[in-house]
Amino acid sequence: DAGVTQSPTHLIKTRGQQVTLRCSPKSGHDTVSWYQQALGQGPQFIFQYYEEEERQRGNFPDRFSGHQFPNYSSELNVNALLLGDSALYLCASSLMGLSNQPQHFGDGTRLSIL
Amino acid sequence: QKEVEQDPGPLSVPEGAIVSLNCTYSNSAFQYFMWYRQYSRKGPELLMYTYSSGNKEDGRFTAQVDKSSKYISLFIRDSQPSDSATYLCAMTPTSGTYKYIFGTGTRLKVLA
Repeated sequence: DAGVTQSPTHLIKTRGQQVTLRCSPKSGHDTVSWYQQALGQGPQFIFQYYEEEERQRGNFPDRFSGHQFPNYSSELNVNALLLGDSALYLCASSLMGLSNQPQHFGDGTRLSIL
Repeated sequence: QKEVEQDPGPLSVPEGAIVSLNCTYSNSAFQYFMWYRQYSRKGPELLMYTYSSGNKEDGRFTAQVDKSSKYISLFIRDSQPSDSATYLCAMTPTSGTYKYIFGTGTRLKVLA
């Protein structure tokens, strides 16, 4: 049973650049959520995608955008990168409609901004 | 004030000890409570998932929820060096698929 997979595992970018991170959900899941985890902190919710639409959004600027594809995989895009965007970006998947099922996380993409 | 408070530790215990990890929260709407374990350079791994108040046991792990006190706990019995990791509590009001609010995580070190 394939779990949540994310790519790449590590990225190095410079300020002002743009980045795209990718996520494939756990087999059978249809909902993808993205979180940002700064060093020493808990994950912070960015947004959630279901049926190819953004359904919920956390307190992140419009520089953060996303997309979900018909096969349920998802991308997170960040424009105009800032030093403060350096973090571990986590993708979590779940099955909408089953309220008693938790989210499962991938191992994340570590983004470093120079 | 953060919605979810968690002591960052680090917490060091000898092998075989009983470990108690805790979180407090302020939002009475939270109904689903999760505990995740995160090893260095890895993503969070689900340990326990509970709804509303009460206890849930799974092997060496027991999760407790006291909604009247807005307090949740995770107990680890017979702790092992392999339990050394960061433990994150998370909670959400509506369902398991809604956005999670996390604590900062507690670093645990089990000494052999």
